[in-house]
Amino acid sequence: SQQGEEDPQALSIQEGENATMNCSYKTSINNLQWYRQNSGRGLVHLILIRSNEREKHSGRLRVTLDTSKKSSSLLITASRAADTASYFCATDAWGAQKLVFGQGTRLTINP
Amino acid sequence: NAGVMQNPRHLVRRRGQEARLRCSPMKGHSHVYWYRQLPEEGLKFMVYLQKENIIDESGMPKERFSAEFPKEGPSILRIQQVVRGDSAAYFCASSPNRDITNYGYTFGSGTRLTVV
Repeated sequence: SQQGEEDPQALSIQEGENATMNCSYKTSINNLQWYRQNSGRGLVHLILIRSNEREKHSGRLRVTLDTSKKSSSLLITASRAADTASYFCATDAWGAQKLVFGQGTRLTINP
Repeated sequence: NAGVMQNPRHLVRRRGQEARLRCSPMKGHSHVYWYRQLPEEGLKFMVYLQKENIIDESGMPKERFSAEFPKEGPSILRIQQVVRGDSAAYFCASSPNRDITNYGYTFGSGTRLTVV
């Protein structure tokens, strides 16, 4: 199984602080994606990083990928209350045409 | 572009009944994927379909579950003789082609199935 694991399972920080979430996976990948899910809602794609990339930025998001350690991290800078959600990493193996999701990190931003 | 549309948003079924979940992909998308999410867990892949073809059903339970994506109309995930363990959120995603290396999937808002 290529099931990803995320760490921590839950994270609670003050508004304005940075939030870092980690993801590990088991097998070779084509790309790794991060999604956000607000409570009771669908998933929103945040950012995709390819296996030959090491770092990617999108607004307040910064994603790193270390294929030698089979791990990725998502950093959200200057957090806002609206960032409160669950965050999932998902890996996509070459030719698999399906995502394998981690268990997610529940992020709470306290005002 | 209305995005990926799923209906119903909520579905309640008694044990033994059938559940039909519908997914209309984004305009121009011919590839559909179904995922299931149990409470407090990540999504698990179920099936990948193109128009009139099942490409990968490796995540589908062997019995009671079936999926189709006809030439016309939405994709349907059908669960026969539902049991309490089928209670979950079912999400559909779509993509325009096989090459998803440059973008993520577009997910619908899901159907929350409750079996009572």
